[in-house]
Amino acid sequence: GQQLNQSPQSMFIQEGEDVSMNCTSSSIFNTWLWYKQEPGEGPVLLIALYKAGELTSNGRLTAQFGITRKDSFLNISASIPSDVGIYFCAGQLTGNQFYFGTGTSLTVIP
Amino acid sequence: GAVVSQHPSRVICKSGTSVKIECRSLDFQATTMFWYRQFPKKSLMLMATSNEGSKATYEQGVEKDKFLINHASLTLSTLTVTSAHPEDSSFYICSARPLAGGPYGELFFGEGSRLTVL
Repeated sequence: GQQLNQSPQSMFIQEGEDVSMNCTSSSIFNTWLWYKQEPGEGPVLLIALYKAGELTSNGRLTAQFGITRKDSFLNISASIPSDVGIYFCAGQLTGNQFYFGTGTSLTVIP
Repeated sequence: GAVVSQHPSRVICKSGTSVKIECRSLDFQATTMFWYRQFPKKSLMLMATSNEGSKATYEQGVEKDKFLINHASLTLSTLTVTSAHPEDSSFYICSARPLAGGPYGELFFGEGSRLTVL
């Protein structure tokens, strides 16, 4: 199936630093979702975006739905060790068509 | 709310046996559930879309006779890996989207099931 281009592939940062990752696609999406997955567990929904240009926050996390509807970014401010994990974006075309990014592996160094 | 539960979380089986994995939406109804396979440090690979009351839709390259999917109710879908082989060892994850969410809604995932075939 189709996959979204997600970058960076991995990040190693110091605790307290801000993090930014993004997803791009050649397709126009109706919904963008951001997930975090920890080892051995299923992805957990962080933020859902429904409108082009929408900017939504969830604690230290902020995500935006790109104006062109072909991209989205996720920012994490003041990272902490428990932010470690793999972050995935997912775009929804129509009702049952979801496509996933390749993931960004985040390591936070205390 | 919006909890999806998978069982078992881990299963070890002998080569040639069949294994069933259950996916339940605990507090919502879902006419559609999705089954994914995930390899280490890789993204989720959609295997099939499970439709309540009808046949599942399989992605290209996924053997429907190997990976049997049944969606018997609005809260339960099962994936049966038949005649399992070591190469079937993987992390299998299901997801579901609440009916009430409309055509564009959030997708919630189960905890995943780690299958090891000896």
